[in-house]
Amino acid sequence: GESVGLHLPTLSVQEGDNSIINCAYSNSASDYFIWYKQESGKGPQFIIDIRSNMDKRQGQRVTVLLNKTVKHLSLQIAATQPGDSAVYFCAENIVGNTPLVFGKGTRLSVIA
Amino acid sequence: GAVVSQHPSRVICKSGTSVKIECRSLDFQATTMFWYRQFPKKSLMLMATSNEGSKATYEQGVEKDKFLINHASLTLSTLTVTSAHPEDSSFYICSARDQGLAYEQYFGPGTRLTVT
Repeated sequence: GESVGLHLPTLSVQEGDNSIINCAYSNSASDYFIWYKQESGKGPQFIIDIRSNMDKRQGQRVTVLLNKTVKHLSLQIAATQPGDSAVYFCAENIVGNTPLVFGKGTRLSVIA
Repeated sequence: GAVVSQHPSRVICKSGTSVKIECRSLDFQATTMFWYRQFPKKSLMLMATSNEGSKATYEQGVEKDKFLINHASLTLSTLTVTSAHPEDSSFYICSARDQGLAYEQYFGPGTRLTVT
């Protein structure tokens, strides 16, 4: 479980720069991964997903990279905008009936 | 995309009372729904998984008699926090899985519960 008192890691980036948010997932059997964006007081919002048979997937301004060897996931946001400021979570599961398990999250702060 | 709603969006109740939170899938049928809770500056923690028409499966450490979950239809699940205490104050988020898709999981907007 999480340690009491730990705050979310924060990434501060200048508007227009690229952001890279990292996540270490826990279950080597996981075969489906999602990145979510959560704004204050709201539920998680789907950004992009990737299956384990891929190592890269691109969306609009976002790219997810998967390294199964070291159980690492990253989210790249191109030309970061103030509206990207939020907490970002990675989530994993095994396709089927298992629920999504969330990582600890990273707060992205965009400096205008 | 698929829409999941929650009601109420925020609720304040007195210690010792019970509160019911509803989760609805608006445009799809959800055989499975999940309930998460989130403390400030923390990640989402899975509380329980509920399948339509059967008893919910609770995660370790979650009291099933305190957090009653009912999933009576393919579009509605409810979470009742019984005899609420201030430490139950949290952000509760439900999620629903489309019965036609094995991996898509859609999240509701969350319910902020404050117990005074």
